[in-house]
Amino acid sequence: GQQLNQSPQSMFIQEGEDVSMNCTSSSIFNTWLWYKQDPGEGPVLLIALYKAGELTSNGRLTAQFGITRKDSFLNISASIPSDVGIYFCAGQLWYGGSQGNLIFGKGTKLSVKP
Amino acid sequence: KAGVTQTPRYLIKTRGQQVTLSCSPISGHRSVSWYQQTPGQGLQFLFEYFSETQRNKGNFPGRFSGRQFSNSRSEMNVSTLELGDSALYLCASRRDSGNTIYFGEGSWLTVV
Repeated sequence: GQQLNQSPQSMFIQEGEDVSMNCTSSSIFNTWLWYKQDPGEGPVLLIALYKAGELTSNGRLTAQFGITRKDSFLNISASIPSDVGIYFCAGQLWYGGSQGNLIFGKGTKLSVKP
Repeated sequence: KAGVTQTPRYLIKTRGQQVTLSCSPISGHRSVSWYQQTPGQGLQFLFEYFSETQRNKGNFPGRFSGRQFSNSRSEMNVSTLELGDSALYLCASRRDSGNTIYFGEGSWLTVV
């Protein structure tokens, strides 16, 4: 099925460092969402973006909805060990006025060294 | 406020059997969607139900089916199980008009 290009696939960083990951698509999306998934659990919503150019923060997390509506990035500042997990971007398409399903990136696996 | 609840959390089935997974959405949410997550394919959309009607469907074979009840609870069924159906099956719900989708913890299915 259709998927987004999410990069990097994995990151291994030192505690305290900043992290940046992004997603790109050939399709335009109306909504971009960023989720974090811990092992054995379902994805947990971190940030939702609804307008092109929108920049939204949630604590140490900041995400932006690209102007072209085909990309989004997520930044994590001053990483801590509990940031470890897999981060997914997801784009949402519209179908004739109703909100469609989510298209997911393959995830960025983040490892943080204390 | 209770989150999305999925049962069972873990199950093992044999090839050829069928399985039914259950999902209770967040109170007040009328839309329920299902996703399959595997290491190779990532998260893939299965289908979405709204007010007991299937609204969207992903590219999965007819062995995968679902339904939604009048209380918005949903079930998905996989018949004639194959080894490749081993995956984490995630249910998600959202409000009628909201964009934000919230996931349950998932049901781990292993087919042997």
